[in-house]
Amino acid sequence: DAGVIQSPRHEVTEMGQEVTLRCKPISGHDYLFWYRQTMMRGLELLIYFNNNVPIDDSGMPEDRFSAKMPNASFSTLKIQPSEPRDSAVYFCASSSTGPRTNEQFFGPGTRLTVL
Amino acid sequence: GQSLEQPSEVTAVEGAIVQINCTYQTSGFYGLSWYQQHDGGAPTFLSYNALDGLEETGRFSSFLSRSDSYGYLLLQELQMKDSASYFCAVRRADKLIFGTGTRLQVFP
Repeated sequence: DAGVIQSPRHEVTEMGQEVTLRCKPISGHDYLFWYRQTMMRGLELLIYFNNNVPIDDSGMPEDRFSAKMPNASFSTLKIQPSEPRDSAVYFCASSSTGPRTNEQFFGPGTRLTVL
Repeated sequence: GQSLEQPSEVTAVEGAIVQINCTYQTSGFYGLSWYQQHDGGAPTFLSYNALDGLEETGRFSSFLSRSDSYGYLLLQELQMKDSASYFCAVRRADKLIFGTGTRLQVFP
């Protein structure tokens, strides 16, 4: 299995621009999680989906952030407009119900820099 | 609310044993997970404890005491490649709440 795939791996943009991060979970996994990691705030859960349905978005910082999961193999996290304080590494992770339900598999992350 | 506390940094030498503690305060506790993250890498799963006691996986063991809201990760026979950050994470229903991480530096 290819694991969780994220794109792009690095993104540099200017304040005010729209940013779209993409994630392909592991095939067969029914949970998808979006995290943000910074030195100051650590690893924060932003939102998670179960069977493509958003379950908990309480970690989404504000209305500038939105996430979608149109099908079981694709999800996006969008920031519009972006701000310098959004600079962070964004991870996508997936997991499945069943014997390994407690294990989340993380993608390589997208390092976002907003100038 | 919820909170997790773990030491910010631990140092040790190759071949030694190190214990990383984690205390937590949360409602709706399901279990405690541990993840490893190398610099520039992604977190990777190490262990999960739902019940009190010790779980052993090779050189790594994890312990949980639900009554004390406390757990630890024990790393034995340390190797240079174990230098990384280690995160405890509380499982609440389907989601994980991560601690701030412990940076482990292993010296030769």
